[in-house]
Amino acid sequence: AQSVSQHNHHVILSEAASLELGCNYSYGGTVNLFWYVQYPGQHLQLLLKYFSGDPLVKGIKGFEAEFIKSKFSFNLRKPSVQWSDTAEYFCAVKTNAGKSTFGDGTTLTVKP
Amino acid sequence: DVKVTQSSRYLVKRTGEKVFLECVQDMDHENMFWYRQDPGLGLRLIYFSYDVKMKEKGDIPEGYSVSREKKERFSLILESASTNQTSMYLCASRRGHDTEAFFGQGTRLTVV
Repeated sequence: AQSVSQHNHHVILSEAASLELGCNYSYGGTVNLFWYVQYPGQHLQLLLKYFSGDPLVKGIKGFEAEFIKSKFSFNLRKPSVQWSDTAEYFCAVKTNAGKSTFGDGTTLTVKP
Repeated sequence: DVKVTQSSRYLVKRTGEKVFLECVQDMDHENMFWYRQDPGLGLRLIYFSYDVKMKEKGDIPEGYSVSREKKERFSLILESASTNQTSMYLCASRRGHDTEAFFGQGTRLTVV
């Protein structure tokens, strides 16, 4: 069965700091990869996704993620975070069987 | 704009009660999902459905059942609620296999 591991449960940064959230998955076949974000009091929404092609994908609000197949990783990055990026971030993997598996989530707190 | 609507934001039920959580999507999506979200555990898949009257068990189906009589509606049923089912329940829908999921606002269920 596939699994998703997010390395950090809680990250605290100051505004303008750079962000990298780790995500590793275990599955040997073809995968689709996602990062979702949940702002306080709001529903989960898609940040970015990778299906095929360029392994560096860009999402909303200046986020990007890089798929490294050899490392089974899909790390999320942002060069300069803002206070409004405070949220919980979830990495998810979907296999050909159609079922998505989510990581445990990383809570990001950005101090103004 | 895709809309996934969950009938209640907050519910309080007694142990042993039968509980229905309703979810409706307005974009004719084939796939619908029920997750529960718990701190430190991320999102865990309870049940999903690829089509009307079809259902598949997710990772934690015990104590739950589902119903999909119409394409737009996917109901989660707790036959006899227990305190360990206190959680945030999220419904999601997805058009096909190669798209992202859209989430509802969530239902915070407390079983006392």
